[in-house]
Amino acid sequence: NAGVTQTPKFQVLKTGQSMTLQCAQDMNHNSMYWYRQDPGMGLRLIYYSASEGTTDKGEVPNGYNVSRLNKREFSLRLESAAPSQTSVYFCASSRQSSGANVLTFGAGSRLTVL
Amino acid sequence: AQSVTQPDIHITVSEGASLELRCNYSYGATPYLFWYVQSPGQGLQLLLKYFSGDTLVQGIKGFEAEFKRSQSSFNLRKPSVHWSDAAEYFCAVWPGGGADGLTFGKGTHLIIQP
Repeated sequence: NAGVTQTPKFQVLKTGQSMTLQCAQDMNHNSMYWYRQDPGMGLRLIYYSASEGTTDKGEVPNGYNVSRLNKREFSLRLESAAPSQTSVYFCASSRQSSGANVLTFGAGSRLTVL
Repeated sequence: AQSVTQPDIHITVSEGASLELRCNYSYGATPYLFWYVQSPGQGLQLLLKYFSGDTLVQGIKGFEAEFKRSQSSFNLRKPSVHWSDAAEYFCAVWPGGGADGLTFGKGTHLIIQP
């Protein structure tokens, strides 16, 4: 099983450019998430999707948009990239387990905005 | 809002020595608690979780954690570390209810001395 697959793994953008990070899971999970990881900050939730057709803001949603294309795919879009969005982005998915969400993470996408 | 504190940013341990990584949470009720590990350049892998029941939980790779309600803590332990345990360790909390993701601590970077 591939689990959670993110593309691309690395990307360099110039300020103002746009791009989309793709995420797909093959575990038939209902919920999907986008986190960003910055040194000394841990992981912070950007957006999540509890089920197909729904999305909600997390802790740090500004500057991002998301699309839950279907049950498998959840994309993150940066419309006008800024240097502050330089980060490592992780997609995760979950199927409720005993009433709690055990998250399975992708390998990450490292984004640099110049 | 719930929060997670990992007081130690870096910890250095000699190979073969015991390890304890601290985690404290701030939440009114007993949350669901997790420890994840991130090896360099990798995604996050679940080490163990606590939902209810026995307060001492066993995980993968020889790790265990103990939930102490009176101290709002969920410390991770290992009796004897190996060089391969060098990684970033994250404690996380999920308060229950909807699928709105985990709240992570800022992480503890574990260094193993030969």
